[in-house]
Amino acid sequence: GENVEQHPSTLSVQEGDSAVIKCTYSDSASNYFPWYKQELGKRPQLIIDIRSNVGEKKDQRIAVTLNKTAKHFSLHITETQPEDSAVYFCAAFLSGNTPLVFGKGTRLSVIA
Amino acid sequence: GAVVSQHPSWVICKSGTSVKIECRSLDFQATTMFWYRQFPKQSLMLMATSNEGSKATYEQGVEKDKFLINHASLTLSTLTVTSAHPEDSSFYICSARRGGGGETQYFGPGTRLLVL
Repeated sequence: GENVEQHPSTLSVQEGDSAVIKCTYSDSASNYFPWYKQELGKRPQLIIDIRSNVGEKKDQRIAVTLNKTAKHFSLHITETQPEDSAVYFCAAFLSGNTPLVFGKGTRLSVIA
Repeated sequence: GAVVSQHPSWVICKSGTSVKIECRSLDFQATTMFWYRQFPKQSLMLMATSNEGSKATYEQGVEKDKFLINHASLTLSTLTVTSAHPEDSSFYICSARRGGGGETQYFGPGTRLLVL
């Protein structure tokens, strides 16, 4: 089955700097890659996603890149703010009714 | 939008009792719902996949007789933790996927269970 690895597990950045979180997946047939943000005690919220027919997608300060050949995708947050502090999960989707396969999460701390 | 609700948001119960958690998709029909458990500072652990009108598919290591899942309609799935014990204390989160082949999963707000 699919396996998703996520790095780093923790990340601290100064406010205003950029943050990059990387994930790799194992099944080349996976075709959908969402990113979720989970604040403490709250539900994971979808923040951006990308499909396998696209190499990059951007939404304001957030961007995601996908390299299908290398089977990795990354989340980029620019001009980080304290409210970006949260746990971020990457995921991969294969097909049909299969569930998303999640990475183990990255705890991002933005230091003011 | 795609709104998923969960009830209750938190529950405290005595050891040995059963607890039912409801997950509803409020503005869409969810042919598939997923139940996760999350321990503090850990990732989402998939417990089972629930398809409307059929038996749930449980992940390895999850006891189906202890965690009863019923997906009775296209907008409602329930998880019952039977004979709960302190080690079942956790944050339980459901997730729903739209019918029609969409991939995105929308999460409920979670239920925090504390078993004394």
